[in-house]
Amino acid sequence: GEDVEQSLFLSVREGDSSVINCTYTDSSSTYLYWYKQEPGAGLQLLTYIFSNMDMKQDQRLTVLLNKKDKHLSLRIADTQTGDSAIYFCAEAYTGGFKTIFGAGTRLFVKA
Amino acid sequence: NAGVTQTPKFRVLKTGQSMTLLCAQDMNHEYMYWYRQDPGMGLRLIHYSVGEGTTAKGEVPDGYNVSRLKKQNFLLGLESAAPSQTSVYFCASSYSKVVGTALNQPQHFGDGTRLSIL
Repeated sequence: GEDVEQSLFLSVREGDSSVINCTYTDSSSTYLYWYKQEPGAGLQLLTYIFSNMDMKQDQRLTVLLNKKDKHLSLRIADTQTGDSAIYFCAEAYTGGFKTIFGAGTRLFVKA
Repeated sequence: NAGVTQTPKFRVLKTGQSMTLLCAQDMNHEYMYWYRQDPGMGLRLIHYSVGEGTTAKGEVPDGYNVSRLKKQNFLLGLESAAPSQTSVYFCASSYSKVVGTALNQPQHFGDGTRLSIL
């Protein structure tokens, strides 16, 4: 069945780059998303990539997609303490209304 | 523009009590969803709706019921609360026909309802 997997924790120093990885199983997915969840809040969409793209850059965020390996990554350049949060990878398919979420990667940024 | 609003934000129940969680969206979205979030398990879909008057079961529907009598509202009910239903509940909505197809319209989330059942 459909599944999205992520590592649970990542710790980086302020100013370094963070790379959060995700693997997915459904080859028919259309859009792949990254959401950010800050403490006590809901999920907010950070960025997304269409499944026929390899890379998307949006300011400090770079999304890389390896369709062959079904691997998605989110790179945050110049990581700041305000980037500390849980990051969810998600894939959408079946016409767009079904979305499967990973368990989330908790990013710790050390000053 | 409020987006997705959930009420209440916090609630403590005793085992066996019932309650309804309310979700309202003002984006004219067709699809609405209820998830629960538990540590280390990400988001699990409870029920969803693809339009007014329709509902469907998600991944973990047992012990919950839903209704979507109005397009903007999606209600989640617990008929007889159990400690295993202690969780954070999130409502989400997506897909406005005015924007285009559903393929590139991500879900918008509320801030969650923290529910504890003793």
